[in-house]
Amino acid sequence: DTAVSQTPKYLVTQMGNDKSIKCEQNLGHDTMYWYKQDSKKFLKIMFSYNNKELIINETVPNRFSPKSPDKAHLNLHINSLELGDSAVYFCASSQLQGAPGSPLHFGNGTRLTVT
Amino acid sequence: AQSVTQLDSQVPVFEEAPVELRCNYSSSVSVYLFWYVQYPNQGLQLLLKYLSGSTLVKGINGFEAEFNKSQTSFHLRKPSVHISDTAEYFCAVGANQAGTALIFGKGTTLSVSS
Repeated sequence: DTAVSQTPKYLVTQMGNDKSIKCEQNLGHDTMYWYKQDSKKFLKIMFSYNNKELIINETVPNRFSPKSPDKAHLNLHINSLELGDSAVYFCASSQLQGAPGSPLHFGNGTRLTVT
Repeated sequence: AQSVTQLDSQVPVFEEAPVELRCNYSSSVSVYLFWYVQYPNQGLQLLLKYLSGSTLVKGINGFEAEFNKSQTSFHLRKPSVHISDTAEYFCAVGANQAGTALIFGKGTTLSVSS
């Protein structure tokens, strides 16, 4: 059983399109995250949800909109895609947001390529 | 706010040699420290973590790290590396503070050759 699963694994699309990435975790965790990994492999937090409530919203363009229908799912919708959005997007989950030492469990990533 | 600096972007070593990947952090509050490994085209896996207590932390695959509060460092070590250890390694810091997420360093590429 995959603990944190993302779909799709690869996403190739043209500028201006709208796309979504889905994430599900079966670990019973309360908190989920989206991280962006750029071409230099730098990982940056984008959003975090705790039990369906948005708790972290970094300086991300408002073309990016996360949605959490329940605590096991966190989706990422991106409007009007731009070339600079090309990256690998990782979903992660942890037991309790802010709880001491809760490690993140990562999905395998979605490689988004905008042409 | 917290920050993490991984001092080496690339570390080439020969198989069976020892290796140290260096990580320094800064924070105004108490922190928790992690090392993650990323193999090609995969997500990140937790290698080890420091929460409190013994400053020497042992992780998976024979890795260990030492927390040094005075030097604000959390260096990762392995006494003898294998070809299969070739991967990207990330140091991360988490604060004991609500509303925060793990902050990652820029990564160190460990390349093990025969």
